[in-house]
Amino acid sequence: GESVGLHLPTLSVQEGDNSIINCAYSNSASDYFIWYKQESGKGPQFIIDIRSNMDKRQGQRVTVLLNKTVKHLSLQIAATQPGDSAVYFCAERPGSYQLTFGKGTKLSVIP
Amino acid sequence: EAQVTQNPRYLITVTGKKLTVTCSQNMNHEYMSWYRQDPGLGLRQIYYSMNVEVTDKGDVPEGYKVSRKEKRNFPLILESPSPNQTSLYFCASRLAGGHYNEQFFGPGTRLTVL
Repeated sequence: GESVGLHLPTLSVQEGDNSIINCAYSNSASDYFIWYKQESGKGPQFIIDIRSNMDKRQGQRVTVLLNKTVKHLSLQIAATQPGDSAVYFCAERPGSYQLTFGKGTKLSVIP
Repeated sequence: EAQVTQNPRYLITVTGKKLTVTCSQNMNHEYMSWYRQDPGLGLRQIYYSMNVEVTDKGDVPEGYKVSRKEKRNFPLILESPSPNQTSLYFCASRLAGGHYNEQFFGPGTRLTVL
C-alpha cells in the first residue's frame, strides 16, 4: 500500500486495551472537529465528529473529547482490535467548506 | 455501490505536460473537494466546490485548476506540472449543509512528476 506518512507519532497498544489518540488544533473559531481513519493504501474514512459547543461525543467503541480551553481533541477507542491499526487524523472545520487536517498518528495494535 | 472514483490511480509524467485527474461520485453530493497528501504534512486542501459552477481555493491552490460543470464530476487540472506537485491526491465528496461532516474519499491518485 501507499506510505502515507514518515516520522509520524506512533502509538502501540495491546489488543483489547483502550487507545487514546491526541490532537492539538489551532483555530478557536472552528465549529466542528472530525476524526478520520486511514488504512494503508486507502483514502481516509470518517469516524466521528463533534461540534464546538460540546465536550464529549460517543459512537460505537469510540469517544471524542474536546477541551477548548487548551485546544485539545482526543479520540478514545475501546477494546482496540487489529482492524483498528491505521493512521488517525484529526481535522478542524474553520468554515463551512474548509477542512484543515492534523499530521496524523499511527496506531499499531499488537495481537 | 456508493463511491468516489478517481482516474488514473497512478501516473508518471514529465514537467510541463498538462494532465487531468478525474473524480466522480454517485451519491448526488453537492460538495466536492481535492486534497494532496505528503509525508509528514498530512492532507492539505487544494480546491473545493459547494455545487455546480461554484468553486473556491483551499490552502494550497497554486498550480492547480478545477471545474464543476456537472454535479457528479470534479476534475483536477495541472496545466504545467512541476516536481513539487509529486504527491498522493484524494478527491472527496459529502452533502452540503453546515452539520454534514462525513466526507467520502476516493482511493487516491499517486502522481509523480519528473
